[in-house]
Amino acid sequence: GAVVSQHPSWVICKSGTSVKIECRSLDFQATTMFWYRQFPKQSLMLMATSNEGSKATYEQGVEKDKFLINHASLTLSTLTVTSAHPEDSSFYICSARAAGAGLNEQFFGPGTRLTVL
Amino acid sequence: GQQLNQSPQSMFIQEGEDVSMNCTSSSIFNTWLWYKQDPGEGPVLLIALYKAGELTSNGRLTAQFGITRKDSFLNISASIPSDVGIYFCAGHPRFSGNTPLVFGKGTRLSVIA
Repeated sequence: GAVVSQHPSWVICKSGTSVKIECRSLDFQATTMFWYRQFPKQSLMLMATSNEGSKATYEQGVEKDKFLINHASLTLSTLTVTSAHPEDSSFYICSARAAGAGLNEQFFGPGTRLTVL
Repeated sequence: GQQLNQSPQSMFIQEGEDVSMNCTSSSIFNTWLWYKQDPGEGPVLLIALYKAGELTSNGRLTAQFGITRKDSFLNISASIPSDVGIYFCAGHPRFSGNTPLVFGKGTRLSVIA
């Protein structure tokens, strides 16, 4: 199946710093990418939907100025957590949907664990 | 927003036992998907269902798209230790290529050898 990678797999940063997470579709082109966050023992919470070449659509309650999303190419989307605080510590997972794909062709990355001290 | 009710929340079973979990919605869904998530990993798609009444198998896993289009179940037969993980149902509430998936809260499966 299609492969989605994320980098880094984990990151520890100081409060107030910014962290960038990359999501890449390795063997297919992704017109749409989704960013989720997951707290321990909870389900995935959709943060935003990103279409290549256009602005991301954020879910209610997600601050677009804090979670900057860029989807500049069909194989790369980035999530930047700006001025990170301890409450931003979470597991961030991206998902990519292939161009012209059927509804099942949404593949998830392995996730990035962010810890803000 | 849309929500899926997934049950049970957790299960402890003996190795070799069969497992059943289900998902329900208050509205009609056009697609049902079942994912498994191992600790520290992203979800992996197990089975995708597109038609009401559809019954699909993937090895020891079987899932069905309910006739009412408001529910789905996943069965695992003869469980083994590597079945441990969190199982999520997900779906699309309307037929749109870019509609985000709606997720259930997951069923945490533990298998006792």
